[in-house]
Amino acid sequence: QVQLQESGPGLVKPSETLSLTCTVSGGSITSYYWSWIRQPPGKGLEWIGYINYRGSTNHNPSLKSRVTISVDTSKSQFSLKLSSVTAADTAVYYCARDRLSGWSTFDHWGQGILVTVSS
Amino acid sequence: DIQMTQSPSTLSASVGDRVTITCRASQSLNSWLAWYQQKPGKAPKLLIYKASSLENGVPSRFSGSGSGTQFTLTISSLQPDDFATYFCQQYNTYPGTFGQGTQVEIK
Repeated sequence: QVQLQESGPGLVKPSETLSLTCTVSGGSITSYYWSWIRQPPGKGLEWIGYINYRGSTNHNPSLKSRVTISVDTSKSQFSLKLSSVTAADTAVYYCARDRLSGWSTFDHWGQGILVTVSS
Repeated sequence: DIQMTQSPSTLSASVGDRVTITCRASQSLNSWLAWYQQKPGKAPKLLIYKASSLENGVPSRFSGSGSGTQFTLTISSLQPDDFATYFCQQYNTYPGTFGQGTQVEIK
């Protein structure tokens, strides 16, 4: 059974860069698409972006050019960097597997990690 | 972006009730719609994809229907484990977008 686990700092200062890693176990990262999704406290879900094992990426245009997603297949990990964060970026960040296109059908999820943006 | 509107926002029901949640899209989705269940402090769980296809391992009391701009998730007989928040998500048009959620609570 595929399992995903997010890791990274739970507190980031405004204007700095949020950095998270997702470790995939129980399955190969060299298939499917691997996505980041976030959920502000008490609110709905927002798709952030995806990567595949070849390094092809795409991200939500609403986040403009602040998003960088990378993959390290040797470690079965993919990572998210979100630059110039503000309080509006405070959210639970999930990594997830998409079996279709990277922004469609998320069939396995990490447990989520709360990232708070505050000085 | 396509706007997804769920109704109701909150639903009070009893064990054994038949429950229906509606999701309306601002543009046609064909059948590219998924439903997720989320419990407090947990990640969402995929229930339904392509509007009506049941994900492996999901109980058959869950069903999805609809096409175009209007979709429904039905729980045929509500069980204690089903009290949660449900989200619809469109993936017809990039970027995929989610509804605001419907909380199913105990009556």
